[in-house]
Amino acid sequence: GENVEQHPSTLSVQEGDSAVIKCTYSDSASNYFPWYKQELGKRPQLIIDIRSNVGEKKDQRIAVTLNKTAKHFSLHITETQPEDSAVYFCAAWGFMIKAAGNKLTFGGGTRVLVKP
Amino acid sequence: NAGVTQTPKFQVLKTGQSMTLQCAQDMNHEYMSWYRQDPGMGLRLIHYSVGAGITDQGEVPNGYNVSRSTTEDFPLRLLSAAPSQTSVYFCASSPLIPGSHNSPLHFGNGTRLTVT
Repeated sequence: GENVEQHPSTLSVQEGDSAVIKCTYSDSASNYFPWYKQELGKRPQLIIDIRSNVGEKKDQRIAVTLNKTAKHFSLHITETQPEDSAVYFCAAWGFMIKAAGNKLTFGGGTRVLVKP
Repeated sequence: NAGVTQTPKFQVLKTGQSMTLQCAQDMNHEYMSWYRQDPGMGLRLIHYSVGAGITDQGEVPNGYNVSRSTTEDFPLRLLSAAPSQTSVYFCASSPLIPGSHNSPLHFGNGTRLTVT
């Protein structure tokens, strides 16, 4: 099955600096890579996603890059603000052979702390 | 739309008790899934379903059963609760089979379960 590794597990940055989180995946059939943000005590919420036919996608201060050959993708947050402090999860859709469908596998998460 | 509704929000069980965590969505989503999140950890897939009458196992299915008799509901049953099942449980749904149309997963607010 799919295996998603996420690094680093914790990241502390100064307000205004950039933050980068990296993920690798194992299943070359995966074709969709979402990123979720989870604030303390809340549910995960989608912040950005990328498909396998796209190398980069941006949404204001957030960008995601994908390298299918190397099977890794990254989240970039620029001009970080205190409200960016949260746990971020990457994920990959891993395809299964049987028709029951495929499933979303998450990385272990990165706790980001933005210091004012 | 209420989105994805989970009940109860909190539950305390004694070892050996059984119970059902409820999950309902009113968005006509075909794909539904259950994750557990242990403190400071990532999201691990328990079971998932790609439509009424179809379910499959995720990474950590032992000790849990699911059924999908309707599109709207996807209950998770704990057969004989154990302290190792203390966790936060998230139900999530998606409008289409993930991977084929790259639809984002919508999460419920979670059920915090403690087994003593």
